[in-house]
Amino acid sequence: RKEVEQDPGPFNVPEGATVAFNCTYSNSASQSFFWYRQDCRKEPKLLMSVYSSGNEDGRFTAQLNRASQYISLLIRDSKLSDSATYLCVVYSSASKIIFGSGTRLSIRP
Amino acid sequence: SQTIHQWPATLVQPVGSPLSLECTVEGTSNPNLYWYRQAAGRGLQLLFYSVGIGQISSEVPQNLSASRPQDRQFILSSKKLLLSDSGFYLCVWSRDNVLFFGSGTQLSVL
Repeated sequence: RKEVEQDPGPFNVPEGATVAFNCTYSNSASQSFFWYRQDCRKEPKLLMSVYSSGNEDGRFTAQLNRASQYISLLIRDSKLSDSATYLCVVYSSASKIIFGSGTRLSIRP
Repeated sequence: SQTIHQWPATLVQPVGSPLSLECTVEGTSNPNLYWYRQAAGRGLQLLFYSVGIGQISSEVPQNLSASRPQDRQFILSSKKLLLSDSGFYLCVWSRDNVLFFGSGTQLSVL
């Protein structure tokens, strides 16, 4: 079993829709969690950190569920520019960083 | 400023030939260093990571090895490349939960 599992998609949704991704992790001792966004052939960019209390940044909301060992990303009112691959990142330990396999999102006009 | 250099950007190698990819970091000391491989349209697969000179953790048993001869130098190697070693290799360093990415090496094994 992979340490971090992520729905690969692709998700193809109309502009303005709400879309959610999940990512599960197997190591209950995992410490830190993040969502990254990657555009085609470019380096991943940090989208947001993920906390148990949940955090919101504009149209984006991230949530951590330690009991069920998953993190989620919700995108509201999706824009064409949101089309990208979204990667969950889990610090399995202080030094071991695992990326999810990525979820591809396409927003159509 | 903190920077990361990775080279070469592109490499075409025959099956059975050796490999050496190098990554160096500037502007920091004692960084955590990582080698990842990324298949097209997919996430990053952790290959090796290092928390200090000479300290290497291997995640995927395969045809590759890594070394850290200096604090800010991380090398990915192979004695004999396989076709399956083709891919995009990324060097990453981490400090305080911030990740810095190298520009990547596209390796084609023919």
